[in-house]
Amino acid sequence: QSVLTQPPSVSGAPGQRVTISCTGSSSNIGAGYDVHWYQQLPGTAPKLLIYGNSNRPSGVPDRFSGSKSGTSASLAITGLQAEDEADYYCQSYDSSLSGFWVFGGGTKLTVL
Amino acid sequence: QITLKESGPTLVKPTQTLTLTCTFSGFSLSTSGVGVGWIRQPPGKALEWLALIYWNDDKRYSPSLKSRLTITKDTSKNQVVLTMTNMDPVDTATYYCAHRREYGDYVPFDYWGQGTLVTVSS
Repeated sequence: QSVLTQPPSVSGAPGQRVTISCTGSSSNIGAGYDVHWYQQLPGTAPKLLIYGNSNRPSGVPDRFSGSKSGTSASLAITGLQAEDEADYYCQSYDSSLSGFWVFGGGTKLTVL
Repeated sequence: QITLKESGPTLVKPTQTLTLTCTFSGFSLSTSGVGVGWIRQPPGKALEWLALIYWNDDKRYSPSLKSRLTITKDTSKNQVVLTMTNMDPVDTATYYCAHRREYGDYVPFDYWGQGTLVTVSS
């Protein structure tokens, strides 16, 4: 059971918009800690997609955007492309216990 | 250009100790703020953070695995080593090392190694 909750799967047709939610609690996202998003293409290592809730690293298309509100965050992908089919993970920091970095359970995006 | 690469055994027996090495280039672990972490991913499952070491030798561990983990660095060799004791089949996973550019809870893991699959089986 992950500390951050994501839907196991989402899907959309090419060109459509999809969103992936990441729900935390008062000890992580709700405490103000930043949320980052990673894209993991099949058989590859995760790649940083969004950092600091809504910032894109150089080279990431502006079709990808992130937001955060309260104890939740969201990743939005517009203009879906076949190459976007991947697993997506949110990540933050949790201040409980001695403090630790936490990942969501991951969401499999299927492009129909 | 920052790169990281994990190395170590692909198969370990239950109760044995696992030692993994992360060899990196493009940055130095003597630079203020820089850190290297370890994250694992069991087959078909989610990512799990394990440990992190900073340039100043500050070390952090996952609370659930703290008793089994040790992270060290060799700045001269550009390497970070993770040891995990008392390995169990549930520890079968791909183990990744990753770079962090700054000190602080808010910083992402911005560069990742390709990962190394470790299987625990007798």
